[in-house]
Order: sequence, then structure tokens, then C-alpha cells
Amino acid sequence: KAGVTQTPRYLIKTRGQQVTLSCSPISGHRSVSWYQQTPGQGLQFLFEYFSETQRNKGNFPGRFSGRQFSNSRSEMNVSTLELGDSALYLCASSSRTSGEVVEQFFGPGTRLTVL
Amino acid sequence: SQKIEQNSEALNIQEGKTATLTCNYTNYSPAYLQWYRQDPGRGPVFLLLIRENEKEKRKERLKVTFDTTLKQSLFHITASQPADSATYLCARRGGANNLFFGTGTRLTVIP
Repeated sequence: KAGVTQTPRYLIKTRGQQVTLSCSPISGHRSVSWYQQTPGQGLQFLFEYFSETQRNKGNFPGRFSGRQFSNSRSEMNVSTLELGDSALYLCASSSRTSGEVVEQFFGPGTRLTVL
Repeated sequence: SQKIEQNSEALNIQEGKTATLTCNYTNYSPAYLQWYRQDPGRGPVFLLLIRENEKEKRKERLKVTFDTTLKQSLFHITASQPADSATYLCARRGGANNLFFGTGTRLTVIP
């Protein structure tokens, strides 16, 4: 089974621009979560999508948004980029539907640099 | 606030020895804890999950313990090898399906 894929792997943007990152989960996984990882804050949860619906959201401003398509692929968008948005953005998929505890499978991440 | 903390930012250990990493939690009683390994430039990889009613879990050279009295989980790597060098993260459940991660411990196994 192919793992979680994320595109692009690296991205350089300037302040004020917007960016869209893409994630393809493991085949059959319907839950996709997004995380931001920075040296200062570590791994922080952004949001989770399941069957095209956002089920859970972390404590991030509204500039961070996402969506999920019918094939479970997900995108996240960051508008009006700030220097502090420079981070590794990780996508994770799981086979979880509801309630049960399962592991998350992470992609390699997208390294975003904001200049 | 509900915190999960990994007290050691970095840990150096000689090859062949047992590495022990610590994860503490406060103001919360997690139903389970998960441990992940992360190599530079890569996403975390799941290693082990331990539930609150389990005292210990093993997988090959890995062992995890869960002490609800001390509010602590210990992660052990026995007979450590240089290939075990990585950052190890503990995580507790957040909401529906998100994880709150500790800041991680960077383990270096010295040959």
C-alpha cells in the first residue's frame, strides 16, 4: 500500500501571498489531519477532515483553512502568509471512523518558507 | 491547561545501553498515550500505543510503561544502536481524532 503523499515537498513564498498544500491519504483511509511543526512550538494540530467534513479544529487563525474531496484527498490553504507561518506542514491519515483508537500515518511533510 | 511534557530535549547514550525517555502529563488523565519516532525531514512514524489500564507494552527492543499514579510514561530502547538515533515523540489524544504531541526528545546513540 502506498503511504501518505504530500505535494509539494518544498515551497518558498513571500509575505502576503497565499499557499495551497495537498495531501493524498493511504488508500481506504477517510480521516485526514493536518499538523504544523516548528522548532519553537513543536507539532500542533490544525484540523481534521472525515468524509469531506471538518470534524475538529485546532487553535489557529482563520487564515488557515482546509477541505477534503470525495476521494479523501485533502488540501490546506494559508492566506496572507506571515513570516511565522514558516514550518513543516504534516498530513496524517488514519482508518479511524469514530470512537476507536488508531494510529496515524504521517506523510513526509511540506516545508514552507515565508520570506 | 492539559500538558504533555518530555523533559529531556536531548539524550546521548552509548551503543548497547538502554535508552529511557520520559513523558509526563498534567491536569489530564489520558485514556492512552502514543509514541512516535521522527527522523530529520520526515514525518513521525507510529511505534507503540499504551492504554491507561495497561502497565507495560513491548515490541521487539521497545518497551513502554504507563504509570497513572506518577502521571508518566517511560519509553525504553534496549540494546540501543546508532540507527535508533532520532527524535521520539509522545502524544495524547486531543479531540475527536487529533493528537497533542510533546516537544520530543532527540536521542543520539554513540557507537
